[in-house]
Amino acid sequence: RKEVEQDPGPFNVPEGATVAFNCTYSNSASQSFFWYRQDCRKEPKLLMSVYSSGNEDGRFTAQLNRASQYISLLIRDSKLSDSATYLCVVIPGWSAGNMLTFGGGTRLMVKP
Amino acid sequence: EADIYQTPRYLVIGTGKKITLECSQTMGHDKMYWYQQDPGMELHLIHYSYGVNSTEKGDLSSESTVSRIRTEHFPLTLESARPSHTSQYLCASSETGGNTEAFFGQGTRLTVV
Repeated sequence: RKEVEQDPGPFNVPEGATVAFNCTYSNSASQSFFWYRQDCRKEPKLLMSVYSSGNEDGRFTAQLNRASQYISLLIRDSKLSDSATYLCVVIPGWSAGNMLTFGGGTRLMVKP
Repeated sequence: EADIYQTPRYLVIGTGKKITLECSQTMGHDKMYWYQQDPGMELHLIHYSYGVNSTEKGDLSSESTVSRIRTEHFPLTLESARPSHTSQYLCASSETGGNTEAFFGQGTRLTVV
């Protein structure tokens, strides 16, 4: 089993739709969580951190569920420009060297 | 904008050549990483470093080597390039603390012919 797992998609949604992705992680001691966005042929860039209390930034909301060991990303009112691959990133903690662990990414395609 | 730079951005090279991909960051980050990514595929960690004189192999077996003589510099070397090395190589860095994001360079797109 991979340490960080994501549904690869693609998720095809119309403009204006609400879409949600989940990401599960296997190490219960994981400390830090992030969502990155990667456009085609570009480098990943930080979208938002995921705090225990959740995090909201405009149309984007990230949540952490420690009991079930998953994080989620909700995108409201999807725009064409939201089309990208969304990467879940977990830092598993000092026992694993605090190394970044990436999920395989979820591809989102927003259609007109 | 992140202060992490990769050179060259694009490289086409013949089989058997030795190449070094450069990565430099000016943020003073201790941790640095090299990832390999084929188009449309996931990132694979091939090397990482906790700091000067520290290098480790990642999850994906790679014929490349790295060095970390200075904090800001983490070059990746292929002694003898092969067509199977054709890919995008992404360098990243982060602080040592737990809750810190990673910053990525723009990548080097390598083609071995």
